[in-house]
Amino acid sequence: EPEVTQTPSHQVTQMGQEVILRCVPISNHLYFYWYRQILGQKVEFLVSFYNNEISEKSEIFDDQFSVERPDGSNFTLKIRSTKLEDSAMYFCASCPRASYNEQFFGPGTRLTVL
Amino acid sequence: AQRVTQPEKLLSVFKGAPVELKCNYSYSGSPELFWYVQYSRQRLQLLLRHISRESIKGFTADLNKGETSFHLKKPFAQEEDSAMYYCALKVSGTYKYIFGTGTRLKVLA
Repeated sequence: EPEVTQTPSHQVTQMGQEVILRCVPISNHLYFYWYRQILGQKVEFLVSFYNNEISEKSEIFDDQFSVERPDGSNFTLKIRSTKLEDSAMYFCASCPRASYNEQFFGPGTRLTVL
Repeated sequence: AQRVTQPEKLLSVFKGAPVELKCNYSYSGSPELFWYVQYSRQRLQLLLRHISRESIKGFTADLNKGETSFHLKKPFAQEEDSAMYYCALKVSGTYKYIFGTGTRLKVLA
């Protein structure tokens, strides 16, 4: 059964560095999402992406964040200059269409900012 | 404000006992609600959605608009039900989902 994959599983970086988190959504899906979960807190919506543009973003998703679908398979989240408070699990999700109402999640990338 | 509240961080029950995981929401529109589950070392996966009115792995959830609740229930808990459970709300007309903080269910032998 096809699954969403994410790389790396764990990323450690220094404060102020740029990081790129990678996701490969399920191949026939059209809608893509990023969420984050700070340790011990809830899963928070960051951004949704459809037709090569952002369709929705939260107040967390400020100018330090960007998303891209550079080719037909990858969906990336870039954090331009990481802060300590960016340390979290980042989950990618996809679904085939907006009305489908089930999101398929990746296993997550744990980002640690030192 | 749109919010999903799961008041219990941890719920421990004995095998065979009934389970109820609470979820309350705050939303002015017509809600679309879901339960997601995360088993140990596995990814988040959909358990059930209110529009389907289905029973999955013995779990059911009924939307109560009067009480703004969507509690997850199972009459007889099994050890394999031990997991994190998240209630989620889809904001209609958007692509945005709001998750609760999750409840860890531990089913004791």
